[in-house]
Amino acid sequence: ETGVTQTPRHLVMGMTNKKSLKCEQHLGHNAMYWYKQSAKKPLELMFVYNFKEQTENNSVPSRFSPECPNSSHLFLHLHTLQPEDSALYLCASSQVQQSPYEQYFGPGTRLTVT
Amino acid sequence: GQNIDQPTEMTATEGAIVQINCTYQTSGFNGLFWYQQHAGEAPTFLSYNVLDGLEEKGRFSSFLSRSKGYSYLLLKELQMKDSASYLCAAHGTGANNLFFGTGTRLTVIP
Repeated sequence: ETGVTQTPRHLVMGMTNKKSLKCEQHLGHNAMYWYKQSAKKPLELMFVYNFKEQTENNSVPSRFSPECPNSSHLFLHLHTLQPEDSALYLCASSQVQQSPYEQYFGPGTRLTVT
Repeated sequence: GQNIDQPTEMTATEGAIVQINCTYQTSGFNGLFWYQQHAGEAPTFLSYNVLDGLEEKGRFSSFLSRSKGYSYLLLKELQMKDSASYLCAAHGTGANNLFFGTGTRLTVIP
């Protein structure tokens, strides 16, 4: 495996379900990110982890709960979601102290909330 | 606040040249990224400009003017596979802060 991987690639869940998205990076990076991509909207940064510590939480509702057990793995736990949460969820990683601070993205999880 | 503007859609002919513009306003600025995203795939890095001027990389070039808050991505000798969304992202203060535009959906026609 190389780069950034995400599972599952597609997820359909009801509003009362609990599910988790998984991201793994094989690049030796020290920062990981969750983004939300909705149609015709900019990529929205949700959470940032530097060296496993959460450093950003951009006013994300508590029904989204991130977890970063180590610098290679990142999870997004989902519960009691709303239909407007349907979107593509992208994970990314980067090496924080290394210019140009390029972020490498995974293929995303297409989430549909019914 | 942060504001990144780029056109929503563009169409160009195979073999032609197309320029995708991006204007930005951010509190703090460290550079400008361009990413390419094919439908259903991850965004992939194309270029990063820190200093004013043109950076050329094969068929793709990127330009930055910091004083004008303006960048463009230039694609030459367009190929059908260049049909994709092109995302402009401003690197704000701090190593983690990327602010993205909505993306420009480029369609290359024969």
